[in-house]
Amino acid sequence: NAGVTQTPKFQVLKTGQSMTLQCAQDMNHEYMSWYRQDPGMGLRLIHYSVGAGITDQGEVPNGYNVSRSTTEDFPLRLLSAAPSQTSVYFCASSYVGPGYGYTFGSGTRLTVV
Amino acid sequence: KNEVEQSPQNLTAQEGEFITINCSYSVGISALHWLQQHPGGGIVSLFMLSSGKKKHGRLIATINIQEKHSSLHITASHPRDSAVYICAVRGSGNTGKLIFGQGTTLQVKP
Repeated sequence: NAGVTQTPKFQVLKTGQSMTLQCAQDMNHEYMSWYRQDPGMGLRLIHYSVGAGITDQGEVPNGYNVSRSTTEDFPLRLLSAAPSQTSVYFCASSYVGPGYGYTFGSGTRLTVV
Repeated sequence: KNEVEQSPQNLTAQEGEFITINCSYSVGISALHWLQQHPGGGIVSLFMLSSGKKKHGRLIATINIQEKHSSLHITASHPRDSAVYICAVRGSGNTGKLIFGQGTTLQVKP
């Protein structure tokens, strides 16, 4: 089925460890983005991309890196995990034009201890 | 002040009641989205609006562009409607970025 695939669904990290959250879509969407969801804060944009080779920072980019080498994939890297990065992470994709909806991944629940 | 404000933040209703969730925004938009998230679940798109009104089953969404306001209505509410409802706006630029409201947590009691 077409959609956005996020892996892993759950992850526990120790402070200082690194990891990559994977996001892949098969709808040829130009726009891909990463959000974190924290209680009382709503969804906040971390990084986004409007096409292969193009990335930009969102509202809360510190501590995260991204790259977009293909249209399909948009991995999110935590270089040195901190407890403040404990959150639920969502990837979403869409066509860039204004008349299109968004497809969200199922989320990754990350705990940093 | 947030660019997208939702009210109420929390809402408890009895099964069968008519429910309204409101969303106001302060930026120029190309579209407004209503999303649903069940507890522990993923995020599902309910509606995308740029004008007027849309209906899907028991859900109705309206938008008033001049007043920068949208409402989500649920008729004949049911316990399975219990979820967080999120309003998000897509800016008038061409980046695809969304700005989210804080969400409204709805509980429908049987």
